[in-house]
Amino acid sequence: SAVISQKPSRDICQRGTSLTIQCQVDSQVTMMFWYRQQPGQSLTLIATANQGSEATYESGFVIDKFPISRPNLTFSTLTVSNMSPEDSSIYLCSVEDLSPLEQYFGPGTRLTVL
Amino acid sequence: GIQVEQSPPDLILQEGANSTLRCNFSDSVNNLQWFHQNPWGQLINLFYIPSGTKQNGRLSATTVATERYSLLYISSSQTTDSGVYFCAVERSGGSYIPTFGRGTSLIVHP
Repeated sequence: SAVISQKPSRDICQRGTSLTIQCQVDSQVTMMFWYRQQPGQSLTLIATANQGSEATYESGFVIDKFPISRPNLTFSTLTVSNMSPEDSSIYLCSVEDLSPLEQYFGPGTRLTVL
Repeated sequence: GIQVEQSPPDLILQEGANSTLRCNFSDSVNNLQWFHQNPWGQLINLFYIPSGTKQNGRLSATTVATERYSLLYISSSQTTDSGVYFCAVERSGGSYIPTFGRGTSLIVHP
């Protein structure tokens, strides 16, 4: 199974600012995802991070608000831009093996926007 | 897209009790996983079970793909079982994009 680390683990930010979250995996993985989990809710997929190309965003999420980079098969960043209190959530990095199709999650980044 | 419904939404147990959590899905799947999110937010993969039955200690899971449901059994529950249990599926023939249910929130009292 993959071991995933995220930085920062938590942050408190002012509205209008941006925060970049880093995700590091201990092995090369094909599929890497970014999720958002609002308080008391399920997980919502933001985008699939594609190595060397633009991320694939889900409906309701746009690149200007959530730019994503994935320079190689073990690392990705998610930026939450021009933050508002509605962006207060846990942001989770996830990877998936293809054989078998098992998914693993990082510890999450707890973001509070004031 | 595929719909995933979990029941019950909330469950409160006394330590030592058994429970069954259910996940219904609306289409054929090539992947189904059960996750446990502990009170600190960490998600742990419990089972990869697109079909059949698996057991791991006090936990077991069964997926009946033809009838589009999966069950997670917790026996002799412990306080450390508390948290939220999520079912996630990937539709057959679709891209490798997991869809999560809303989860079952479990509280186990000592």
